[in-house]
Amino acid sequence: KAGVTQTPRYLIKTRGQQVTLSCSPISGHRSVSWYQQTPGQGLQFLFEYFSETQRNKGNFPGRFSGRQFSNSRSEMNVSTLELGDSALYLCASSLDGTPQDTQYFGPGTRLTVL
Amino acid sequence: AQKVTQAQTEISVVEKEDVTLDCVYETRDTTYYLFWYKQPPSGELVFLIRRNSFDEQNEISGRYSWNFQKSTSSFNFTITASQVVDSAVYFCALILHGGATNKLIFGTGTLLAVQP
Repeated sequence: KAGVTQTPRYLIKTRGQQVTLSCSPISGHRSVSWYQQTPGQGLQFLFEYFSETQRNKGNFPGRFSGRQFSNSRSEMNVSTLELGDSALYLCASSLDGTPQDTQYFGPGTRLTVL
Repeated sequence: AQKVTQAQTEISVVEKEDVTLDCVYETRDTTYYLFWYKQPPSGELVFLIRRNSFDEQNEISGRYSWNFQKSTSSFNFTITASQVVDSAVYFCALILHGGATNKLIFGTGTLLAVQP
């Protein structure tokens, strides 16, 4: 089975721009979660989608948004980029998004904001 | 509040040494799940193990072993006869069963460097 894929792998943007990151889960997985990883804050939960609905959201400003399509693929969008948004964005998929499900991660998208 | 602490920021060992990575967690819930992930330089988080709070049996998988002790809220990870390929950042994480979320609460990670 193919793993979780994320595109693009690297992105460079400037302040004020917006960006869209894509995540394709493992086939059959219906839950997709997004995490932000920075040296200062570590790994932080952004949000989770299941059946095209956002089920949970972390403590991030409204500039961070996402969606999920009927094939479970997910996108996250960051508008009005700030320098502090530079991070590795990781996507994880699991079967049903229950706590006992294992989440499998993709390779991440490294975003640099100049 | 729920929290995961990995007190060891960095560990350096020489190949073939055994090394233990510590993980201490805090939660008032009685049902929860603990995980270990490995993050090599490529960036992807690789799943290693999941353990639920009712299963305190230690687990061994090849050179890897895990020691779960509810009495001390610890879930430590030991690599026996370490190899250079084990060099990575290792994260311990917690999910609560009772919450309406599958949000992983991560520790800050331990960078393991295995020298040849």
